[in-house]
Amino acid sequence: EAGVTQFPSHSVIEKGQTVTLRCDPISGHDNLYWYRRVMGKEIKFLLHFVKESKQDESGMPNNRFLAERTGGTYSTLKVQPAELEDSGVYFCASSLTGATGELFFGEGSRLTVL
Amino acid sequence: AQSVTQPDIHITVSEGASLELRCNYSYGATPYLFWYVQSPGQGLQLLLKYFSGDTLVQGIKGFEAEFKRSQSSFNLRKPSVHWSDAAEYFCAVAFYDSWGKLQFGAGTQVVVTP
Repeated sequence: EAGVTQFPSHSVIEKGQTVTLRCDPISGHDNLYWYRRVMGKEIKFLLHFVKESKQDESGMPNNRFLAERTGGTYSTLKVQPAELEDSGVYFCASSLTGATGELFFGEGSRLTVL
Repeated sequence: AQSVTQPDIHITVSEGASLELRCNYSYGATPYLFWYVQSPGQGLQLLLKYFSGDTLVQGIKGFEAEFKRSQSSFNLRKPSVHWSDAAEYFCAVAFYDSWGKLQFGAGTQVVVTP
C-alpha cells in the first residue's frame, strides 16, 4: 500500500512567485493535515481537512496560503505570492476517521524562496 | 504559556549504549503524548503514544517512554542503540477532541557513533 506522497520534493522559487505543493494521502484516509517546519523552528500545524471540508485552518499563517482538497482525495497548498519567510519544509499527513493516535506523514516538500 | 520542550537539540551516543531523550510539556490538563522519529529522507513515523493507563509505554524499534504526571514529562528511552537509530526525534502533544492537531517540540538530533 502506498504511503503519503508529496510533490515536489524540493522547489526553489523567487520571492513573489507562486508555488503549489501537492499531497496524496493514503487511500481511504478521510483526514488530511498540513504542517510546516521553518528553519530552526518547531513543526507547526497549518490545517486539517475531513474529506473535502476544512475542519480547522487555525494554523494558516496568512491569506497568501490557500489549501484545497477537491473531491476529498489529494490536496494542494498554494503560496501566492511567496515571501522569504515561507521557506521551510511542508509536511502532509493523513489518518483514518475513527482511528485515534497515528498520523502517517509524507517525506515533506522543501520550499526555498530566494 | 502552553509548550512542549525538548531540552536537548543534539545528542551523540555510541552504538550499543543506552539513550534517553527528554520531553516536558506545559498545559493545564494532561494531553495525549507522542514520540515521532524522522530518519534521513523519510517522513515522520510514530514510535509510540500515551493516552491513558499504564504510564510505561512500549513502542516500535525497541523504544519505550514513561509518562510522569508529577514532572509533566514523557521521556523516551532505548536500552541499546543501533546505528539505524540515528535520526531526529520529536515529542508532540495533542488533545482528545483534536488529536491530529499536534504541537511538536523542537526535536532532538541523535548521532550514533561506532
